[in-house]
Amino acid sequence: KAGVTQTPRYLIKTRGQQVTLSCSPISGHRSVSWYQQTPGQGLQFLFEYFSETQRNKGNFPGRFSGRQFSNSRSEMNVSTLELGDSALYLCATSSGSSYNEQFFGPGTRLTVL
Amino acid sequence: TQLLEQSPQFLSIQEGENLTVYCNSSSVFSSLQWYRQEPGEGPVLLVTVVTGGEVKKLKRLTFQFGDARKDSSLHITAAQPGDTGLYLCAGSSNTGKLIFGQGTTLQVKP
Repeated sequence: KAGVTQTPRYLIKTRGQQVTLSCSPISGHRSVSWYQQTPGQGLQFLFEYFSETQRNKGNFPGRFSGRQFSNSRSEMNVSTLELGDSALYLCATSSGSSYNEQFFGPGTRLTVL
Repeated sequence: TQLLEQSPQFLSIQEGENLTVYCNSSSVFSSLQWYRQEPGEGPVLLVTVVTGGEVKKLKRLTFQFGDARKDSSLHITAAQPGDTGLYLCAGSSNTGKLIFGQGTTLQVKP
């Protein structure tokens, strides 16, 4: 099976702009979660989508949003970018097992200038 | 709020040494996972432990889940440079989310 793919891999934006990141899950995986990883805060949960519905949400401001399409592909959007949004954004998919085991993509490195 | 604390945060050892990484919480988790992340890549699942007191072995890696399901440890025997990376523990919370520890950065020098 092909793994989780994320595009783009690298992105440079300026403050105030918005950005959209894309994630294609492993075939058959219907749960897609997004995480933000920074050296200071570690890996923090943004939100999870399952069957096109947001099932769980972390403690991030409303500038962070996401959606999932009928083919389980997911996008996350960050509006009005701030310097502190610079991070590695990881998408992870799950088969729906009771242990919620995550299969991660390689991430999108976002730099906000 | 459920939290997972990992220790140590950083570990630099010589090839062939043994090491243990700890993952502790005051909360009970239904299951706990360990991941390894290498630079430029996403974390990769190593193991899931689900039963209190459970021990799982993966070649030179031994994972243990505490009896009370509040803590876990990862022991590496005869570490090799290929073990270098960021080790993350993650617990399944009572809300269904995965709670990640801050991670342990391991460097194994040849």
